[in-house]
Amino acid sequence: EDQVTQSPEALRLQEGESSSLNCSYTVSGLRGLFWYRQDPGKGPEFLFTLYSAGEEKEKERLKATLTKKESFLHITAPKPEDSATYLCAVQSYTGGFKTIFGAGTRLFVKA
Amino acid sequence: GAVVSQHPSWVICKSGTSVKIECRSLDFQATTMFWYRQFPKQSLMLMATSNEGSKATYEQGVEKDKFLINHASLTLSTLTVTSAHPEDSSFYICSARDRGGDGETQYFGPGTRLLVL
Repeated sequence: EDQVTQSPEALRLQEGESSSLNCSYTVSGLRGLFWYRQDPGKGPEFLFTLYSAGEEKEKERLKATLTKKESFLHITAPKPEDSATYLCAVQSYTGGFKTIFGAGTRLFVKA
Repeated sequence: GAVVSQHPSWVICKSGTSVKIECRSLDFQATTMFWYRQFPKQSLMLMATSNEGSKATYEQGVEKDKFLINHASLTLSTLTVTSAHPEDSSFYICSARDRGGDGETQYFGPGTRLLVL
């Protein structure tokens, strides 16, 4: 059964304090791994899609990396506006386009 | 690009009434749309997968007669909560696959908050 586990559950950072969020996954043939940002009361906002181990993608202060077992979302010099819940999700070839979501990491960045 | 809208953004209704939520892909065609439900501080739970022109596929435990899904065109899917009860109160979010994009990425709508009194 496809599974996604995110850690930590919550993360509190000072502005400028870089850190990483972890997403561990088990799938029977990875079609894609996705990172989304979700603000309270809103739908998830797409950040990245990663397809194969070794792939990296960057957007502003965010960088996503992928291995065969996990993905990291690195946040460099975060700002208070980066505070949100970050969701990781996977699709497997056997699951069609069904996307399995992790529980998310709630990030709080204090000025 | 890849914008998904939902309407209404919030709705309050009396128990026993039906509520329809629309999901539209504004700048792309979506062969497949998904409906999710999210409880406070929890992640998204897939309710059903909706394919244009065919019947929706419901996840285990989701009542298809209660949550009616119609995907009449490549840009519109609707979710109707029939005979709503207070336990149906939740945040409902749709997403759509961009047929012309990489095919895998889903883009989400802003969500609809339903409160059943």
